[in-house]
Amino acid sequence: KQEVTQIPAALSVPEGENLVLNCSFTDSAIYNLQWFRQDPGKGLTSLLLIQSSQREQTSGRLNASLDKSSGRSTLYIAASQPGDSATYLCAVQETSGSRLTFGEGTQLTVNP
Amino acid sequence: DGGITQSPKYLFRKEGQNVTLSCEQNLNHDAMYWYRQDPGQGLRLIYYSQIVNDFQKGDIAEGYSVSREKKESFPLTVTSAQKNPTAFYLCASSMAPLAGGPSYNEQFFGPGTRLTVL
Repeated sequence: KQEVTQIPAALSVPEGENLVLNCSFTDSAIYNLQWFRQDPGKGLTSLLLIQSSQREQTSGRLNASLDKSSGRSTLYIAASQPGDSATYLCAVQETSGSRLTFGEGTQLTVNP
Repeated sequence: DGGITQSPKYLFRKEGQNVTLSCEQNLNHDAMYWYRQDPGQGLRLIYYSQIVNDFQKGDIAEGYSVSREKKESFPLTVTSAQKNPTAFYLCASSMAPLAGGPSYNEQFFGPGTRLTVL
């Protein structure tokens, strides 16, 4: 059974710092990996999707990498801003179907 | 605007009642999903549907039921058999798995419904 783990569970940084969020998964036979942002009491906003054949995806200040063989993904946020404060979730989609398996998330606080 | 809508935003249920959560999408997506989120936890899959008139159980389907009579709608009923229904419920949709393209299978989420049992 696929398990997804996110480290750290919470992170607090000063504004302007570059930071890395980690995601690991136990079964490397994935179809893709998706990073989401969730604000308190809100739904999920898709940030980046990496297909299993890709190594990374970039969107603005965000860069996500995927090392399928080692079961790891990282989300890099450059020049963090207070507006980046949210919970970040990663999820993997397995080859056999379209369901997502989620990690528990990293709660990020960027202090002004 | 294209997107996913969920209603109501907040829902209160008395013991023994069934309640239905609405999910509608106008993205022309074939697949729709229901997830449950508990405080400090990731999302867990309740039910999903890849095509009209067909759906499959997820990891925690007990005490829930769904229907998929129309492509744009996927309502979730929380029955009295669900012992601990207080949670945040999220609906999502995506293109069908075989649709092709670099971003297919990307899931898009609605704003959620918070259900509380009184």
